[in-house]
Amino acid sequence: DSGVTQTPKHLITATGQRVTLRCSPRSGDLSVYWYQQSLDQGLQFLIQYYNGEERAKGNILERFSAQQFPDLHSELNLSSLELGDSALYFCASSVGGRGDNEQFFGPGTRLTVL
Amino acid sequence: GENVEQHPSTLSVQEGDSAVIKCTYSDSASNYFPWYKQELGKGPQLIIDIRSNVGEKKDQRIAVTLNKTAKHFSLHITETQPEDSAVYFCAASKNNAGNMLTFGGGTRLMVKP
Repeated sequence: DSGVTQTPKHLITATGQRVTLRCSPRSGDLSVYWYQQSLDQGLQFLIQYYNGEERAKGNILERFSAQQFPDLHSELNLSSLELGDSALYFCASSVGGRGDNEQFFGPGTRLTVL
Repeated sequence: GENVEQHPSTLSVQEGDSAVIKCTYSDSASNYFPWYKQELGKGPQLIIDIRSNVGEKKDQRIAVTLNKTAKHFSLHITETQPEDSAVYFCAASKNNAGNMLTFGGGTRLMVKP
């Protein structure tokens, strides 16, 4: 158990809908990262927050947004969902915000868009 | 941006044999190289990492080597066991703020008893 929690574990929804994924980092970690894992794209970095502020942005679609709250938990919002958004979404956390800080991954949320 | 290539995509070994997974990276400024193990239905788990000021690092049956000149790094697992069966990912990053991990495509390792 990495100490990173994610809810929900599974999510099934329809095209065009909006969902929110939630992540709580390990105690003491200030940075949260979101990743998308699909069969054809592998593990893709989406976005990073450090102590409430956006720190780095990867291949995140405009339909997706995220935020980190004062208690350091983070939410990833996915809107206007398409079939291709079906994937595993992972959250990771680290103590600092540097690229060489160890990242600890949560168990993931499996999103299925029908 | 950084590009990380990982080979092989699948690897099957007999229990007790060694397994080697190789990765190459494109950005010579990258200086942090972690390896993750992902078991079915779980998130990736950090198993070992190496920084560019070190050529080799070992932790029990796992070792990682780094060749900065050639821009490649490798994971070595000795005396493999069935519980080593999983998907392994390499990654690369720079140590600055705002730099993210770029992952390789993954290697599915199967250890046959």
